[in-house]
Amino acid sequence: RKEVEQDPGPFNVPEGATVAFNCTYSNSASQSFFWYRQDCRKEPKLLMSVYSSGNEDGRFTAQLNRASQYISLLIRDSKLSDSATYLCVVINPLTYKYIFGTGTRLKVLA
Amino acid sequence: GAGVSQTPSNKVTEKGKYVELRCDPISGHTALYWYRQSLGQGPEFLIYFQGTGAADDSGLPNDRFFAVRPEGSVSTLKIQRTERGDSAVYLCASSPSGGGGGELFFGEGSRLTVL
Repeated sequence: RKEVEQDPGPFNVPEGATVAFNCTYSNSASQSFFWYRQDCRKEPKLLMSVYSSGNEDGRFTAQLNRASQYISLLIRDSKLSDSATYLCVVINPLTYKYIFGTGTRLKVLA
Repeated sequence: GAGVSQTPSNKVTEKGKYVELRCDPISGHTALYWYRQSLGQGPEFLIYFQGTGAADDSGLPNDRFFAVRPEGSVSTLKIQRTERGDSAVYLCASSPSGGGGGELFFGEGSRLTVL
């Protein structure tokens, strides 16, 4: 089983839609989680950290479900500029390496 | 700017040749990571340095791959006897400290093509 798994998509949604992605992780001892965004042929950039209590940043909400070992990202009122690949990241609790998922592609359509 | 710098940005080489990829992290960042990314895939972990030492090199695919960071700043990823399957974008990232869950700051990557 992969350490971090994501549905690769693509998710094609109309502008203004709400879309959600999930990401599962295999190591129950993991403590730190993130969502990164990667535009086509660019480097990944931090979108937001995922806290135990969940966190919100504008139209973006990230949540952690420890019991089921997954994190989620919700995007409300999608914009064309949200089109990108969203990468789930989990830190290995023993070695502190950052493990990336394969990414979920989102395309917001006009 | 003072971001992570990677050179070369593009490298085309022939099968069997030796390649070096360089990463200059953000000044003061003690943690440095190397990843490899193929089309349609997420970044695949290769190696992570904390200061001068490799804290985790479990992602290096085989003994043709080696990385150094002799002075705790610039790092070089070395690939011997390159194979076509080594073609990918090699990404370097730095962080103020490893293990603390800090943000990774990525360079723009070195695109390696092995013919």
